[in-house]
Amino acid sequence: DTAVSQTPKYLVTQMGNDKSIKCEQNLGHDTMYWYKQDSKKFLKIMFSYNNKELIINETVPNRFSPKSPDKAHLNLHINSLELGDSAVYFCASSQEGTPYNSPLHFGNGTRLTVT
Amino acid sequence: QQPVQSPQAVILREGEDAVINCSSSKALYSVHWYRQKHGEAPVFLMILLKGGEQKGHEKISASFNEKKQQSSLYLTASQLSYSGTYFCGTGLLYGGSQGNLIFGKGTKLSVKP
Repeated sequence: DTAVSQTPKYLVTQMGNDKSIKCEQNLGHDTMYWYKQDSKKFLKIMFSYNNKELIINETVPNRFSPKSPDKAHLNLHINSLELGDSAVYFCASSQEGTPYNSPLHFGNGTRLTVT
Repeated sequence: QQPVQSPQAVILREGEDAVINCSSSKALYSVHWYRQKHGEAPVFLMILLKGGEQKGHEKISASFNEKKQQSSLYLTASQLSYSGTYFCGTGLLYGGSQGNLIFGKGTKLSVKP
């Protein structure tokens, strides 16, 4: 019974390619997120979606676009991949609209390597 | 806005205690604590919402000093399973961060036999 699942676990691709990472949660949570963890382990919020609406969009390049077909899914599309995009991307969800008082549940991460 | 965690790393022997601190330059509404083992996802430990609040989770507890804008995580009688990187995530009281948690850089805890 995986709560937050994301695929693929590993993604190796060349510069300039376009790729997608999928995320699904079966917790019935209202909000889903994408976090990027760089080589120094810094966790940075990229996007959050609440009831299919983008409510927060941090200053990430517009090559990154979240897409949510429904409340349980939030996919991440990345166009024209660059070397600096190499990182671990975590999907997460929380019960309420803000994680201030609601725990974040993370997926197992997707390690993206751009060569 | 990023909270500062200290120490950056700590090495313990089984059974020893440790304290990890998280300090913010901004007024806080909440503090979260997560543990991440190597190659795995961060796992939620606890949330502290009120100034002066303390919580316990087995032998791991935490306090939140609202006035000092800081939180501390206490690990007592450490076990090998406590090894990992501990992150605090802060929710700002006034604006900023657009409702998201801001994570510290983490504290790497290693427990040796």
